[in-house]
Amino acid sequence: DSGVTQTPKHLITATGQRVTLRCSPRSGDLSVYWYQQSLDQGLQFLIQYYNGEERAKGNILERFSAQQFPDLHSELNLSSLELGDSALYFCASSVGAPNTGELFFGEGSRLTVL
Amino acid sequence: TQLLEQSPQFLSIQEGENLTVYCNSSSVFSSLQWYRQEPGEGPVLLVTVVTGGEVKKLKRLTFQFGDARKDSSLHITAAQPGDTGLYLCAGFGGTSYGKLTFGQGTILTVHP
Repeated sequence: DSGVTQTPKHLITATGQRVTLRCSPRSGDLSVYWYQQSLDQGLQFLIQYYNGEERAKGNILERFSAQQFPDLHSELNLSSLELGDSALYFCASSVGAPNTGELFFGEGSRLTVL
Repeated sequence: TQLLEQSPQFLSIQEGENLTVYCNSSSVFSSLQWYRQEPGEGPVLLVTVVTGGEVKKLKRLTFQFGDARKDSSLHITAAQPGDTGLYLCAGFGGTSYGKLTFGQGTILTVHP
């Protein structure tokens, strides 16, 4: 158990819909990262927050947005869903500032878009 | 965009054999990490290498960071079925501050 909690574990929805994935980082960790993992793309970095502020952005689509709340939990919002958005979405957390340290990953949220 | 290329993509070997997985990039990384991921779980950190030329050993696993900090390798001695999994290299640094870039991964299967 990494200490990072992600909900829901599985989600099935239709194209055009919107979903919210939730992440609770390990106690004390200030950084939260979101990754998308698919068979053909591997683990793709989406976005990173540190203590409530966005710190780094990857190949995150405009239809996707995220935020980190004052209690440090984070949410990833995916809207106007397409078939190609089907993937495993991982949240990870780390203690300190970006560019250092170990990332602790949650078990992921598996999104299926039909 | 900083890319990490891993090879081979797939590796299927017998128990007791040795293997090496490579992770290469044209970019310099301030540090490089190796993770292992099992089905249904998130990646778990195995090691972080920071200094060019650094070698770290973790039981039967040996990790090396290239002198120029652009490449790394993972060597497993006498592989066991429990080593089966997805091995991922990931790099911090350079122009991608705050972003941990992952390679595509190597799927290792060790047959008893």
